[in-house]
Amino acid sequence: AQTVTQSQPEMSVQEAETVTLSCTYDTSESDYYLFWYKQPPSRQMILVIRQEAYKQQNATENRFSVNFQKAAKSFSLKISDSQLGDAAMYFCAYRSTPWNQGGKLIFGQGTELSVKP
Amino acid sequence: GAGVSQSPSNKVTEKGKDVELRCDPISGHTALYWYRQSLGQGLEFLIYFQGNSAPDKSGLPSDRFSAERTGGSVSTLTIQRTQQEDSAVYLCASSSLPGQGRDTEAFFGQGTRLTVV
Repeated sequence: AQTVTQSQPEMSVQEAETVTLSCTYDTSESDYYLFWYKQPPSRQMILVIRQEAYKQQNATENRFSVNFQKAAKSFSLKISDSQLGDAAMYFCAYRSTPWNQGGKLIFGQGTELSVKP
Repeated sequence: GAGVSQSPSNKVTEKGKDVELRCDPISGHTALYWYRQSLGQGLEFLIYFQGNSAPDKSGLPSDRFSAERTGGSVSTLTIQRTQQEDSAVYLCASSSLPGQGRDTEAFFGQGTRLTVV
């Protein structure tokens, strides 16, 4: 079975600085999807960024980028120019393809990010 | 609807009572997920529906928990004989299938906060 591990329960960053959140996963599949979700205190889950495993190029979305290392099964999130509004719980997630477990979505334990002004 | 809708948003129940939590997914989404999130914790997978396939119930914590999805749309999560440890936020999400030309991300509802007293 697939597993997702976030080894940093809490992280802190100074406003305008850069922070990297770590995520590793375990799978025997060759094709899958990876996501980072953000959950602010409102508890609404918001997609931050996604990566298809078959794509070698790292995904970027404005200040957010990933470092996807398929062989190492690592998927870290880099937040540049951190803003106060980035403070939230961040979850890494893995999704199988339809032909493997039908697209089940599995989450890591989360990393609580605080941003200091 | 425009997004995933969950009801009620908050539910307080007495220990031993049964509760039903409802989820209205985004129209056309074939996949529907239920997760449980205890205070400050990650997302615990409960159950996953994908189209007409048999649901993946591997995350249901006990036989007091059950879920159904009628007509491939609305889903109800039922907890029988509630216990205090059932207190948590129950999140529902829906998504389309990868490869159908639509986004692979899961869209989440606001959750139902269940408190068992």
